[in-house]
Amino acid sequence: DTEVTQTPKHLVMGMTNKKSLKCEQHMGHRAMYWYKQKAKKPPELMFVYSYEKLSINESVPSRFSPECPNSSLLNLHLHALQPEDSALYLCASSHHGVKKSSYNSPLHFGNGTRLTVT
Amino acid sequence: KQEVTQIPAALSVPEGENLVLNCSFTDSAIYNLQWFRQDPGKGLTSLLLIQSSQREQTSGRLNASLDKSSGRSTLYIAASQPGDSATYLCAVNGNNRLAFGKGNQVVVIP
Repeated sequence: DTEVTQTPKHLVMGMTNKKSLKCEQHMGHRAMYWYKQKAKKPPELMFVYSYEKLSINESVPSRFSPECPNSSLLNLHLHALQPEDSALYLCASSHHGVKKSSYNSPLHFGNGTRLTVT
Repeated sequence: KQEVTQIPAALSVPEGENLVLNCSFTDSAIYNLQWFRQDPGKGLTSLLLIQSSQREQTSGRLNASLDKSSGRSTLYIAASQPGDSATYLCAVNGNNRLAFGKGNQVVVIP
């Protein structure tokens, strides 16, 4: 079992739908991350929140909209996605926020949401 | 840009043999290196984290070494078991981003 919980586990959506992915951790971690992983590929960083503020956006298209309502929750809002956006979306958290003096805490990943866009 | 390479991409070993997985990276200015395990369709499970100032870390049958100057890390898994079958990913932390290798896909044959 993972300490980072992601819901739903599977999601099928049409290109005109609006949906949200949710991530929750109760480890007191102050940094939370969204990654996208295509089959047989390594995870790719999308967004990083540090102390509930967006600190990194890896030039992700605006059809992906992250939100961090509080230190334990991270959402990814999806709208007008394309079939090529189908992937495993992984949430992760780490103890320290994103500061140069605090890079040394490990990342903990959830089991992901398998997204299929039809 | 940090480039992380894992060799071999895939390997099969008989049960009981020791596993040796290699990871190399191009930029030695790193904060730490983390080894993960990923089962099919699942998330990543953290195995070991080595800080840039450390040479190795051990957890049970797992041992990871780090040679930052040469840009290399090795993950050793002693006395492999069928349950060790998975993809193992190396991730290098530099400039507040994890750079992942493509993974070593391991099959342990009973």
